[in-house]
Amino acid sequence: QSALTQPPSASGSPGQSVTISCTGTSSDVGGYNYVSWYQQHPGKAPKLVIYGVSKRPSGVPDRFSGSKSGNTASLTVSGLQAEDEADYYCSSYAGGNNWVFGGGTKLTVL
Amino acid sequence: QVQLQQSGPGLVKPSQTLSLTCAISGDSVSSDSAGWNWIRQSPSRGLEWLGRTLFRSKWFNEYAVSLRSRITVNPDTSKNQFSLQLNSVTPEDTAVYYCARGGNYSFDYWGQGTLVTVSS
Repeated sequence: QSALTQPPSASGSPGQSVTISCTGTSSDVGGYNYVSWYQQHPGKAPKLVIYGVSKRPSGVPDRFSGSKSGNTASLTVSGLQAEDEADYYCSSYAGGNNWVFGGGTKLTVL
Repeated sequence: QVQLQQSGPGLVKPSQTLSLTCAISGDSVSSDSAGWNWIRQSPSRGLEWLGRTLFRSKWFNEYAVSLRSRITVNPDTSKNQFSLQLNSVTPEDTAVYYCARGGNYSFDYWGQGTLVTVSS
């Protein structure tokens, strides 16, 4: 069982926005501003889309945004496109040189 | 552009040692701003951070508590790569293993992944 809790699935139509939640504890998500999000297409390695709660790496569209409130972080994908269909994982630094992950959310573009 | 190229066997017998290598291009294993990580993914355990090596005036090797007795991550500066060794494997260690560069408390570049099956 993963340390961080994500909904197993989410969906939206092209052009819509969808938000995926990631719930942890005060020892990980709530304790550090070090939440990151990863996009994973089938058979591929995860790709970083958000780090430091809300920062986007170079090359990631600004349709991807992140936020955090208390022990819950969120990833919002705006203006959904077909290529956004993938699995999304959250991760948080958990102190003591340790990182934890969520169980993943399968995003379907209808 | 940073690239990570993994190599190693895809089949390991129970009780033996899993060994993987990750060759780095576009960065240095001795970088003082990056950490070099191993992460695995399985249907039963999801994504799991295993350990890392990093250089901050001296070498540090840090491991997940659950694996501390079985895991070793080492840098190889002569080849600009780092390695993973996991001892006494069981079928529960069957997973896709990834190497990844760490920075800003996230993982920004990943290897291609290696499916390692533990079976006799």
